[in-house]
Amino acid sequence: DIVMTQSPDSLAVSLGERATINCKSSQSVLYSSNNKNYLAWYQQKPGQPPKLLISWASTRESGVPDRFSGSGSGTDFTLTISSLQAEDVAVYYCQQYYSTPPTFGQGTNLEIK
Amino acid sequence: EVQLLESGGGLVQPGGSLRLSCAASGFTFSSYAMTWVRQAPGKGLEWVSTITDSGGSTYYADSVKGRFTISRDNSKNTLYLQMNSLRAEDTALYYCAKLWGQLLTPIDYWGQGTLVTVSS
Repeated sequence: DIVMTQSPDSLAVSLGERATINCKSSQSVLYSSNNKNYLAWYQQKPGQPPKLLISWASTRESGVPDRFSGSGSGTDFTLTISSLQAEDVAVYYCQQYYSTPPTFGQGTNLEIK
Repeated sequence: EVQLLESGGGLVQPGGSLRLSCAASGFTFSSYAMTWVRQAPGKGLEWVSTITDSGGSTYYADSVKGRFTISRDNSKNTLYLQMNSLRAEDTALYYCAKLWGQLLTPIDYWGQGTLVTVSS
């Protein structure tokens, strides 16, 4: 199974500042045949189901604010929130769907400083 | 609008059984793979099982293999999870979710979840 490891586990950022969450996979999730990274980012607010923010490592879903961006390739990925808003307080998960079983990172709890 | 509505959760004794259902609407159910993901109280997300669009192939986490069975009825737009030999560690909120496409695609929609509690 591919192990996904996020860092940090928890993060406190001031409003308007940049938040960066890292995700590392135990093996590459880049498919050479189509040059796509099989990596997604989800946001889970308290009492709600997760919401897909970014797929294929860097494709923002429709309706997701452009302050959210994803980057990286192979085994190392980053979710960046360029200017933190109060409504961004949540737990963020990365997930690989390169192989079965699909696996999630342990989550990063993002708070306001 | 895509909607996924889970039901069937509840309190069950260890060794017991439950059948979860997920009623889907707002998309062509028979064209997409579907999956169950669970979240133990205060914990992270754990994939449980996936079924292909036709129902012809199914996949399970090692932790539930041999005890859980995923199925679907495309005529009723409904996904199921039959859960047998339940254990305390199966206690979780169970989410029904739609895959973006077929296997090896992200989850693009999630239900609100149904809570399963395994306890004597």
